[in-house]
Amino acid sequence: KQEVTQIPAALSVPEGENLVLNCSFTDSAIYNLQWFRQDPGKGLTSLLLIQSSQREQTSGRLNASLDKSSGRSTLYIAASQPGDSATYLCAHLQGGSEKLVFGKGTKLTVNP
Amino acid sequence: SQTIHQWPATLVQPVGSPLSLECTVEGTSNPNLYWYRQAAGRGLQLLFYSVGIGQISSEVPQNLSASRPQDRQFILSSKKLLLSDSGFYLCAWSAANSPLHFGNGTRLTVT
Repeated sequence: KQEVTQIPAALSVPEGENLVLNCSFTDSAIYNLQWFRQDPGKGLTSLLLIQSSQREQTSGRLNASLDKSSGRSTLYIAASQPGDSATYLCAHLQGGSEKLVFGKGTKLTVNP
Repeated sequence: SQTIHQWPATLVQPVGSPLSLECTVEGTSNPNLYWYRQAAGRGLQLLFYSVGIGQISSEVPQNLSASRPQDRQFILSSKKLLLSDSGFYLCAWSAANSPLHFGNGTRLTVT
């Protein structure tokens, strides 16, 4: 069974800190890995997608990396802001299918 | 640009009543379509996905069914709701190897 694990489950930081969210997966034959943001009571918003041939992707203050050999991805958030408070989920596309496997997310709180 | 519409936003239904949640996508053709459920304190559970009209894959045997009557329309149904069907239902679409795009979700409470 393919699994995605996100650690920590919750994280609280003061405004301005740089932080790293972790995602590990058991499927070495992934097609891509995606990071999402979910605000309370809302749907998920796609943040970054890393193809299996790529090592990282950047968007603004966000940088996501992918290491297939170790089964890990990280989401780096620079200079965190209270507006970054949300739950962050990672997911990967299963090899040979159209299904994304999701982690349970990391709930981030950035305190002003 | 592509958009996804999901409705209703909230729904309260009694046990044993039927359910129909609708999702439509605009601005793209032949998308992959998905229904997920998110229960409190749990991760996203894939319920159904479809790669084309009339093609439905079921991931979890349960009290729900899905249909895709048109290319960009995906419907989640139940003939008789159970208490355990309560949750946050999310529709999503994707094109080949592109990000998954979610609707705003439907909060279903079965009483």
